[in-house]
Amino acid sequence: QSALTQPASVSGSPGQSITIPCTGINGDVGGGNNYVSWYQQHPGKAPKVIIYDVSNRPSGVSNRFSGARSGNTASLTISGLQAEDEADYHCSSYSTSDRTRVFGGGTRLTVL
Amino acid sequence: QITLKESGPTLVKPTQTLTLTCAFSGFSLRTSGVSVGWIRQPPGKALEWLAVISWNDDKRYSPSLKRRLTITKDTSKNQVVLIMTNMDPVDTGTYFCAQSPPWKAYFDPWGQGTLVTVSA
Repeated sequence: QSALTQPASVSGSPGQSITIPCTGINGDVGGGNNYVSWYQQHPGKAPKVIIYDVSNRPSGVSNRFSGARSGNTASLTISGLQAEDEADYHCSSYSTSDRTRVFGGGTRLTVL
Repeated sequence: QITLKESGPTLVKPTQTLTLTCAFSGFSLRTSGVSVGWIRQPPGKALEWLAVISWNDDKRYSPSLKRRLTITKDTSKNQVVLIMTNMDPVDTGTYFCAQSPPWKAYFDPWGQGTLVTVSA
């Protein structure tokens, strides 16, 4: 499977909502694939999962984070932006056909 | 509490072979459905999935790097080893290992990562 496509950067003001799209080439994301996950990574830190299986939040993750999928595009929405949300966000997909994984190019979120 | 920690050389020369070890605690690779994977990140760039090994010794590799990678596990030592041959400066980056919970497709938690620099 090919790398997933994300915008290099997005920005928003505190309190606003932003959405980060993740587009799959060759239909990885859209072909009935429910194994999309999102990771938050602060500078110098390891990534942390914030959404799995398209729209599920692990215990302890704020409900300001939500995930969805429509056709070939998955998306991460962060509502009520806070300064601490400033980080890199990476989407990832798991292929059920060959059990490989792929990541997107990552999106840097700036909170203005 | 599940923890993972990567170890290995910080500097390798071009054409050399890199051997990284992921030592973990808080779970067993004998547990049905559990996997451990390797992911790397060049400085300032995106994450790249490299390989994963499962409880039943199933191994999967990134198609673009498959010929250079070998992943193995030692369940008695709670370790996973990644071998990457023919290292090149473009392989410079932070290498992470991470667990996939039983029968899940995502990685959580991750190790802190280890920076590997490829330079003559």
